[in-house]
Amino acid sequence: EPEVTQTPSHQVTQMGQEVILRCVPISNHLYFYWYRQILGQKVEFLVSFYNNEISEKSEIFDDQFSVERPDGSNFTLKIRSTKLEDSAMYFCASNTESFYGYTFGSGTRLTVV
Amino acid sequence: SQQGEEDPQALSIQEGENATMNCSYKTSINNLQWYRQNSGRGLVHLILIRSNEREKHSGRLRVTLDTSKKSSSLLITASRAADTASYFCATDANFGNEKLTFGTGTRLTIIP
Repeated sequence: EPEVTQTPSHQVTQMGQEVILRCVPISNHLYFYWYRQILGQKVEFLVSFYNNEISEKSEIFDDQFSVERPDGSNFTLKIRSTKLEDSAMYFCASNTESFYGYTFGSGTRLTVV
Repeated sequence: SQQGEEDPQALSIQEGENATMNCSYKTSINNLQWYRQNSGRGLVHLILIRSNEREKHSGRLRVTLDTSKKSSSLLITASRAADTASYFCATDANFGNEKLTFGTGTRLTIIP
């Protein structure tokens, strides 16, 4: 069964450093998303991406965040200058036009120290 | 309270029993979905019910939706140890491919 693949599974970074979280969505999907889940809290929407541009973003997705689909297969989330409160599990998801639920990746656990 | 509140927050039952989890939401929705999350892992889509549907089945899962009460329930019948996980409802306010708003989740523990 097709999967959404995320790498790395766990990343530890120093506060203030830039991180790039990588995702490979399912190949025929057209809609891409990033969500995050702070430990013990709800899953929160960050951003949606369609047709090579951001279609919607949340208040969390400020100027420190950016997304890119550089080569037609990868979908990346960049955090320019990480803060302690960015520590969370980050999930990538993708979807098709024939909507029937999202396919989520297994997540990247980001720890900012 | 926020969009998507599940209750109970935690539920422990004996293997073989049925588990029922509830979700309430505040705004109008296009569809409601249920996801499972094993500890520290990703979210697995279980079932989607559209706003014009009242009940849906998938294997041992039964979902109901009451748009007048803005609530949904997920029933897992004949529970198994492998059903131990957190279960989240998520709502989609527009026609598909829009952001999901997740609930707080129910932590289900199946006791062998």
